[in-house]
Amino acid sequence: NAGVTQTPKFQVLKTGQSMTLQCAQDMNHNSMYWYRQDPGMGLRLIYYSASEGTTDKGEVPNGYNVSRLNKREFSLRLESAAPSQTSVYFCASSGSIGTQYFGPGTRLLVL
Amino acid sequence: GIQVEQSPPDLILQEGANSTLRCNFSDSVNNLQWFHQNPWGQLINLFYIPSGTKQNGRLSATTVATERYSLLYISSSQTTDSGVYFCAVAMNTGNQFYFGTGTSLTVIP
Repeated sequence: NAGVTQTPKFQVLKTGQSMTLQCAQDMNHNSMYWYRQDPGMGLRLIYYSASEGTTDKGEVPNGYNVSRLNKREFSLRLESAAPSQTSVYFCASSGSIGTQYFGPGTRLLVL
Repeated sequence: GIQVEQSPPDLILQEGANSTLRCNFSDSVNNLQWFHQNPWGQLINLFYIPSGTKQNGRLSATTVATERYSLLYISSSQTTDSGVYFCAVAMNTGNQFYFGTGTSLTVIP
């Protein structure tokens, strides 16, 4: 079991460029989440998907879009990157009990 | 959204000491979890504890849901306990989670 995997691990973008962060889980979990972590601010929820076919906005959804491609995969897209989106991005998943399992994170730098 | 406050923000301990970390939250929740973020950035789930008490080795946690707080106890601390401890809450499983800003723990040999 790989758990939760994320790609890429690190990315540098120029302002205005687009990119998609990929996340996959092999634990047959229904729920998946995307967070961003900024220094001193803990983790903030961007979007979540309570089950396949549904997505909902979290605390900080502006500038992002998501796709729940299937039960395993949940991607996060930045259409036009801005320096304010420089952050560490974490994907997580949870099953019926509710315990969240996190991926290793993606470090994104927007210049 | 639900407000989550953690205290203390920073803690420095000598190896072998005990500590108590606190998490206060502003609304009724059905899901509360404690996480440890190690110095390499990996987030590890320590406890799923919406109510009651659980123990796992040197760590234990207690949540008093009616009074809207949770405590994480670390006994006989080790240098590998260093990192940031986060509390996260949600009203329901699969729902929006809110994280506190964490307690940064440094254990000195």
